[in-house]
Amino acid sequence: SYVLTQPPSVSVAPGKTARITCEGNNIGSKSVHWYQQKPGQAPVLVIYYDSDRPSGIPERFSGSNSGSTATLTISRVEAGDEADYYCQVWEITSDHVLFGGGTKLTVL
Amino acid sequence: QVTLRESGPALVKPTQTLTLTCTFSGFSLTTPGMCVSWIRQPPGKALEWLALIDWDDDKYYNTSLTTRLTISKDTSENQVVLRMTNLDPLDTATYFCARGNRGRGSAFDIWGQGTMVTVSS
Repeated sequence: SYVLTQPPSVSVAPGKTARITCEGNNIGSKSVHWYQQKPGQAPVLVIYYDSDRPSGIPERFSGSNSGSTATLTISRVEAGDEADYYCQVWEITSDHVLFGGGTKLTVL
Repeated sequence: QVTLRESGPALVKPTQTLTLTCTFSGFSLTTPGMCVSWIRQPPGKALEWLALIDWDDDKYYNTSLTTRLTISKDTSENQVVLRMTNLDPLDTATYFCARGNRGRGSAFDIWGQGTMVTVSS
């Protein structure tokens, strides 16, 4: 079965760039969506279809997807970006939504 | 404004059946492309997708839970209902419903606040 692998944690200093990866077999052929979840809150969509940004999401959030890795990039990281981040795809062979295991972003 | 709200029991006994309702507003599940999913999250753990129903009444289930899940919709009441049988303490989680608007592969752009369900005797 298809698996999405994310690093459990990523740490970054304020003002620097954070990159959160999501690995899967030929994930570049799929559409990847990214969610931000803060403690006690519902997830919020931050990137959809690999690199599109919903209205209201800062331009500091961007996404890319190629080969076996999709990447969420957060530029000029702020303390308020500290959260769990999840990638998600639709796995067409099994007609199944899949989430990655999540990455905890810590702002140092 | 699109909103979704989950409702259901906070406490369920093992082996019982759980029925959760997602009541939504601001869109219609008869509009092509619209869909609603249920997703859960055990305390301290990752998101787990459960089921999806779309505007055409097509239904999709997490293959590891498919025998226990039933998803349905009531378009006149703007509700989506998830039924899960044979509950186990491992089903203790916050259950979310979320909307997609471009068919089954779409992102979930709006989420409900979630409802916590505890399975315990």
